[in-house]
Amino acid sequence: GDSVTQMEGPVTLSEEACLTINCTYTATGYPSLFWYVQYPGEGLQLLLKATKADDKGSNKGFEATYRKETTSFHLEKGSVQVSDSAVYFCAFQGAQKLVFGQGTRLTINP
Amino acid sequence: NAGVTQTPKFQVLKTGQSMTLQCAQDMNHNSMYWYRQDPGMGLRLIYYSASEGTTDKGEVPNGYNVSRLNKREFSLRLESAAPSQTSVYFCASSPGGLGETQYFGPGTRLLVL
Repeated sequence: GDSVTQMEGPVTLSEEACLTINCTYTATGYPSLFWYVQYPGEGLQLLLKATKADDKGSNKGFEATYRKETTSFHLEKGSVQVSDSAVYFCAFQGAQKLVFGQGTRLTINP
Repeated sequence: NAGVTQTPKFQVLKTGQSMTLQCAQDMNHNSMYWYRQDPGMGLRLIYYSASEGTTDKGEVPNGYNVSRLNKREFSLRLESAAPSQTSVYFCASSPGGLGETQYFGPGTRLLVL
């Protein structure tokens, strides 16, 4: 069935380090793909999305490329900041709803 | 433009009590959703509403009921709360069809003793 597998956390990095959070999905066809971010005590916010193969979504220095060959949508950032500390969710557009991964908690230390 | 609002922010219930979680959106969105978030399990869909007047079950509907009162409001009711319903509940909405980009409320933290 439809599912999303995310890199397990928690992930702890130092400020200015490079970040990659892996995400792969199992779905029928080529759905739209999303990354959502949840800051402490808040709801989820859309971080970026890609609607077709080879599209790159980007926002706030984060990027993710829709790879249909590997059914992946890995989240990357070249230099993380303390303010990036949050939980990150990968998701795709299912038939009737968004299908979410379990989330990856990211902590950035100064 | 407040987006998606939820009330209350936090609630403590005793087992067997009932309560309604309220959600409203001011973005004229057609679809609305209720999720619960539990540690290590991501978000699980409880119920959704594709349009005013329609509701459908999600992954974990047992113990819950919903009402799509009008286009703006989508409430979630717990008729007889159980400790297993201790969770954080999020309401969301999307402009058109199901599965599009969703906009989330700030959440309601519920503790059932």
